Amino acid sequence: QKEVEQDPGPLSVPEGAIVSLNCTYSNSAFQYFMWYRQYSRKGPELLMYTYSSGNKEDGRFTAQVDKSSKYISLFIRDSQPSDSATYLCAMNPGANNLFFGTGTRLTVIP
Amino acid sequence: KAGVTQTPRYLIKTRGQQVTLSCSPISGHRSVSWYQQTPGQGLQFLFEYFSETQRNKGNFPGRFSGRQFSNSRSEMNVSTLELGDSALYLCASSGAGGMNTEAFFGQGTRLTVV
Repeated sequence: QKEVEQDPGPLSVPEGAIVSLNCTYSNSAFQYFMWYRQYSRKGPELLMYTYSSGNKEDGRFTAQVDKSSKYISLFIRDSQPSDSATYLCAMNPGANNLFFGTGTRLTVIP
Repeated sequence: KAGVTQTPRYLIKTRGQQVTLSCSPISGHRSVSWYQQTPGQGLQFLFEYFSETQRNKGNFPGRFSGRQFSNSRSEMNVSTLELGDSALYLCASSGAGGMNTEAFFGQGTRLTVV
């Protein structure tokens, strides 16, 4: 079993929809949780990071962490075609090595 | 402010050869981490260097090695290449802190082994 599980999708939604992306993890030592966006042929771009359980909002993006359930989510409101990309969850136990999910490919249809 | 620069962007090598990839971190960043990305395994941590010292290492064979120079630039080397080493190799830089919470990635080097 991988330490971080993420539904690979693909996920297609109409423009303006709310998107929900999720990851589960098994390692209780994970302390920091991140979401990256990766466009084709580009490196991952950091979108959000959180430490404690709860919600963190940044514009159209909301990151949610539930440590008791070992479950994290990223919500995208009013999705745009430019949001079409692969979304990667990542987490670490406090050291400088990130554990990534396999990524969810999202397509927002105009 | 310049981002993370990786060179070269693309490489084609033959089985058994060795390869060296380069990463220049964001100015002022002292931590450089390397990751391998493949369709089947996703992103996997190779190793991290901080102030010229390897601080963390992932579960990769000894054929994968790296180093960091005094200007924080880093190189990774893969010896005796195998077909399974074909991947996108990503470098991430972060500041002096102990956590990789704000790791900035380069565009990667796509290595193809034939």
